[in-house]
Amino acid sequence: SYELAQPPSVSVSPGQTVSITCSGDDLGDKYVCWYQQKPGQSPVLVIFQDTKRPSGIPERFSGSNSGNTATLTISGTQAMDEADYYCQAWGGSINWVFGGGTKLTVL
Amino acid sequence: EVQLVQSGAEVKKPGESLKISCKGSGYSFTTDWIGWVRQMPGKGLEWMGIIYPGDSDARYSPSFQGQVTMSADKSISTAYLQWSSLRASDTAIYFCARQSCSDPSCYLEDWGQGTLVTVSS
Repeated sequence: SYELAQPPSVSVSPGQTVSITCSGDDLGDKYVCWYQQKPGQSPVLVIFQDTKRPSGIPERFSGSNSGNTATLTISGTQAMDEADYYCQAWGGSINWVFGGGTKLTVL
Repeated sequence: EVQLVQSGAEVKKPGESLKISCKGSGYSFTTDWIGWVRQMPGKGLEWMGIIYPGDSDARYSPSFQGQVTMSADKSISTAYLQWSSLRASDTAIYFCARQSCSDPSCYLEDWGQGTLVTVSS
């Protein structure tokens, strides 16, 4: 079965830029989306189709996908961005898979 | 406004059956797939499967095939997830989510608030 790997945790200082990676075989051939989940809340879609932001998601969130790695980048990180982030890959099949999740800490 | 409203928290004993629900509104319920996602305590998101309410075509993740049953009643815009015999390991929060597609890809655009299922003797 297809697997996606994420670092368990990353940290960043307020105002700095942070990147969260998601790795999988030939991931660049698939479309990746990213979800943000804050404690006690439902996940929220922040990036879809590798690079696109849903309406209402701040411009500081961006995404890329190439080779075996997709990346979520948050520029000018704010305290409110502290959350768990999950990647998910769409390969044309409706059998989705999630990455293990990355806990983002804003120090 | 798209809304997915899930049924309330449940406390059950091992071996009992359970059916939880997810009611959609604000969009065409019959034309968008509804997915189910499990989150065990302190853990990540796990894909369980997806159902097309228009014809109740259901596809299961191999990890959940035979363990749960997804269904839908399009007349009341509601999707269901059910267990015939719960185990303690089924204790988790279960989310439903609406799959949207924008050529060439799909994604889970809207999520329910989650249903906490606790299985304990």
